[in-house]
Amino acid sequence: NAGVTQTPKFRVLKTGQSMTLLCAQDMNHEYMYWYRQDPGMGLRLIHYSVGEGTTAKGEVPDGYNVSRLKKQNFLLGLESAAPSQTSVYFCASTLRGGETQYFGPGTRLLVL
Amino acid sequence: GIQVEQSPPDLILQEGANSTLRCNFSDSVNNLQWFHQNPWGQLINLFYIPSGTKQNGRLSATTVATERYSLLYISSSQTTDSGVYFCAGGSYGKLTFGQGTILTVHP
Repeated sequence: NAGVTQTPKFRVLKTGQSMTLLCAQDMNHEYMYWYRQDPGMGLRLIHYSVGEGTTAKGEVPDGYNVSRLKKQNFLLGLESAAPSQTSVYFCASTLRGGETQYFGPGTRLLVL
Repeated sequence: GIQVEQSPPDLILQEGANSTLRCNFSDSVNNLQWFHQNPWGQLINLFYIPSGTKQNGRLSATTVATERYSLLYISSSQTTDSGVYFCAGGSYGKLTFGQGTILTVHP
């Protein structure tokens, strides 16, 4: 039981490049979330999903897109990376809304 | 949206000391959780506690929902308790995180 995994662990991009971050969970959770964490700050919600085929905007959705084609996977895309998107990205999941959130190990992204 | 304020922002302890971390919310929440982020960046859920009191070993948490605050108690602190402690609250599935309390425990 791997829990929540994230791919890749670290990535360097040039401004304008695109990439996709993958989050996978093997706990059969319905809800999945993408957060970003910047130095000295708490986590901010980017997008979330309440089930397969659904997505919704969080607090800071601009510049990101997401997809939840399979229940166990939640993808975060950056179409045209900007230096302001340099951050650590965390994925989380819950069995249902309003329950304990379980986090992945994070992806460190540097945009030059 | 909900504002989450944590105090203190920093805390330095000697091993064996006790501490209390506080989290205030600007509005009522029905989902409240405490997390520990270790020095390697991993986030671990400590408590899901929208109301009442829970204990897990040397850690315990109390939430007074009517007064919109929560407390995290750490007793007999150990160096492995070092890291950042976050509280987060919200409605149903969406959480707003506080800025965190940085805890350093010296041997």
